Amino acid sequence: DSGVTQTPKHLITATGQRVTLRCSPRSGDLSVYWYQQSLDQGLQFLIHYYNGEERAKGNILERFSAQQFPDLHSELNLSSLELGDSALYFCASSAGGASPNEQFFGPGTRLTVL
Amino acid sequence: AQTVTQSQPEMSVQEAETVTLSCTYDTSESDYYLFWYKQPPSRQMILVIRQEAYKQQNATENRFSVNFQKAAKSFSLKISDSQLGDAAMYFCAYRSSPWGGGADGLTFGKGTHLIIQP
Repeated sequence: DSGVTQTPKHLITATGQRVTLRCSPRSGDLSVYWYQQSLDQGLQFLIHYYNGEERAKGNILERFSAQQFPDLHSELNLSSLELGDSALYFCASSAGGASPNEQFFGPGTRLTVL
Repeated sequence: AQTVTQSQPEMSVQEAETVTLSCTYDTSESDYYLFWYKQPPSRQMILVIRQEAYKQQNATENRFSVNFQKAAKSFSLKISDSQLGDAAMYFCAYRSSPWGGGADGLTFGKGTHLIIQP
C-alpha cells in the first residue's frame, strides 16, 4: 500500500459526459502528479501540482483540468469525454520541493467511456 | 523533449536465471534521474530502483541492479535469480532534475513484459 488513495476505482460513463477523479496524497506529501495510461499512448504525464499551485503541464488536453485543494487532495476533471479517453488514470504523490523524492503511485482509476 | 525507448516488448526467462532489460533515452540535460518501475497484473506502479545521473556508481537493490552508461544514454536493469513474483511490465522512466527547476513528471518508455518460466 503506497499510502496514496484514489476514488473511484472504476468509472463507466458515456461520450460527452464529465467526470471527476479524486486523489488523496500520502500524509505530508505536497506534490501531486497525474498520469494517464492507455494502450495507444502508454504512460503519459498530465499535470503536476505543488502545495495548491500548478507547477508543470504535460500532455494534458484542454478538455481536462485539475486542481489541488488546501487539504492537498487533488481532483482531475475530464469533460466532453471521447472514446479515446478510456484509460487508467494514476495520481502519484511526493514530498515535492527541490529534491528528487520518489513518486508514490495510487492504485489508479479505470475510466471506460462508452 | 526527452524520450525513453525500451526496445524489447517482451522478455522471457527461466526461474532462477538472470535477465537484462534494456532502456535508452535521449536528453540534452546533464543532470537527471532514471527509474525502473514494475507494474504487476494488479496495475500498481512500484518503484524498483533509481539512479542519479551525477553518480557514477550503478545502483543496486537486492537482486536488482542497473548498468548506467551516461555517455551512451543507456540504462539497463538486471534481475538476478528471477522469481515468479518478478513477472510484470517493467517501465523505464526519466525525470529532469528538480534542482534545475524541472517540475515535470516522469517520462516513461513503452514497457517490457517480463515472463518468468517455472
